[in-house]
Amino acid sequence: ETGVTQTPRHLVMGMTNKKSLKCEQHLGHNAMYWYKQSAKKPLELMFVYSLEERVENNSVPSRFSPECPNSSHLFLHLHTLQPEDSALYLCASSQDVAGGGGHEQFFGPGTRLTVL
Amino acid sequence: AQSVTQLDSHVSVSEGTPVLLRCNYSSSYSPSLFWYVQHPNKGLQLLLKYTSAATLVKGINGFEAEFKKSETSFHLTKPSAHMSDAAEYFCVVSDWDSNYQLIWGAGTKLIIKP
Repeated sequence: ETGVTQTPRHLVMGMTNKKSLKCEQHLGHNAMYWYKQSAKKPLELMFVYSLEERVENNSVPSRFSPECPNSSHLFLHLHTLQPEDSALYLCASSQDVAGGGGHEQFFGPGTRLTVL
Repeated sequence: AQSVTQLDSHVSVSEGTPVLLRCNYSSSYSPSLFWYVQHPNKGLQLLLKYTSAATLVKGINGFEAEFKKSETSFHLTKPSAHMSDAAEYFCVVSDWDSNYQLIWGAGTKLIIKP
């Protein structure tokens, strides 16, 4: 595998279910990100990890719980979601955290989540 | 605070004609600017980036963008559109003040007519 991989690619879940999204980067990067992409809205940054430490949580509801066990893996644990949480969830990585240094972010293909 | 405005939600051009996707930004400092592309059912891919070097930046697949500080613009162009260019394009700004956040535009959907 190369680049950034995400599993599953598609997920349908009920509001009472618990599921997890997985992201793995094979690039040797130090920073990883979770984004939410909804139709007709700009990309929303959810969480940022730098060297396995969370450095940003953009006022994300507690029903989304990230986990970064090492610099190559990132999880997003989901529980008691709402229908409005249906979206494409994208994982990305970069050499270091972004900002003025112009670090490119590499994205996975995303998980298309549908909450019934 | 930084912001990005992509002036067109949809742009439609004929194959073989020029492409212009417009982006204006606001930034308190010297920004880094990016264009990303997203093909259907695919992740986002970097097309090009500006980080205070040459103001005309060349990217992949024949795209280029020019940083114009006086106009706070970073428009994306390509001389001749190809069917494979049909996708959604995102303009992104980042500066030292945003720390690790990329500020994303809402996207422009590029439609290529045969």
